[in-house]
Amino acid sequence: GIQVEQSPPDLILQEGANSTLRCNFSDSVNNLQWFHQNPWGQLINLFYIPSGTKQNGRLSATTVATERYSLLYISSSQTTDSGVYFCAVIAPNAGGTSYGKLTFGQGTILTVHP
Amino acid sequence: DSGVTQTPKHLITATGQRVTLRCSPRSGDLSVYWYQQSLDQGLQFLIQYYNGEERAKGNILERFSAQQFPDLHSELNLSSLELGDSALYFCASNQAGGTYNEQFFGPGTRLTVL
Repeated sequence: GIQVEQSPPDLILQEGANSTLRCNFSDSVNNLQWFHQNPWGQLINLFYIPSGTKQNGRLSATTVATERYSLLYISSSQTTDSGVYFCAVIAPNAGGTSYGKLTFGQGTILTVHP
Repeated sequence: DSGVTQTPKHLITATGQRVTLRCSPRSGDLSVYWYQQSLDQGLQFLIQYYNGEERAKGNILERFSAQQFPDLHSELNLSSLELGDSALYFCASNQAGGTYNEQFFGPGTRLTVL
């Protein structure tokens, strides 16, 4: 099946700093989503971005599908940005057995200090 | 708030017991997904339903079963519980269930098996 690798595994920042998180995937994808898991365990949708660039406030994301990677940019980080960031993908359906299955990376643990 | 609801939020039970987790999808969504997040396995897809029918299956144990009811809510049944079943269980939903569609996650049910 498709492999998803995220880097870095851990990131520690001071409030106000910028950061870039990376997600590499091993095959073409129909779906790529970025999530933020907050300290209470909730998974919050950040972006649905199988290709192209999107921005939402201080966050933006770019997916270069032909090169099989996606980047999540966080600018002017705040302590509330702390948590785990996941990238998840769905490969084109092969044989019907993985229809709709999101495959997650291992996540990047972000800690923002005041 | 994604619009996906899950109950209960927390569940503590003993080995060998059986529990039922409940999920209500967003209004209008026909497809429901179940995922398990454990410390050693990360976030893993368990099973997908679309309009009452099973659509895809992941590495779901035989002790686990699920169904989607006519009102589109879904239940995940976990039986003969083991310590290793302790995890956060997420439900997600979307309208069409296909590989191109964004999935929206509920707040999760935290299961602790003692």
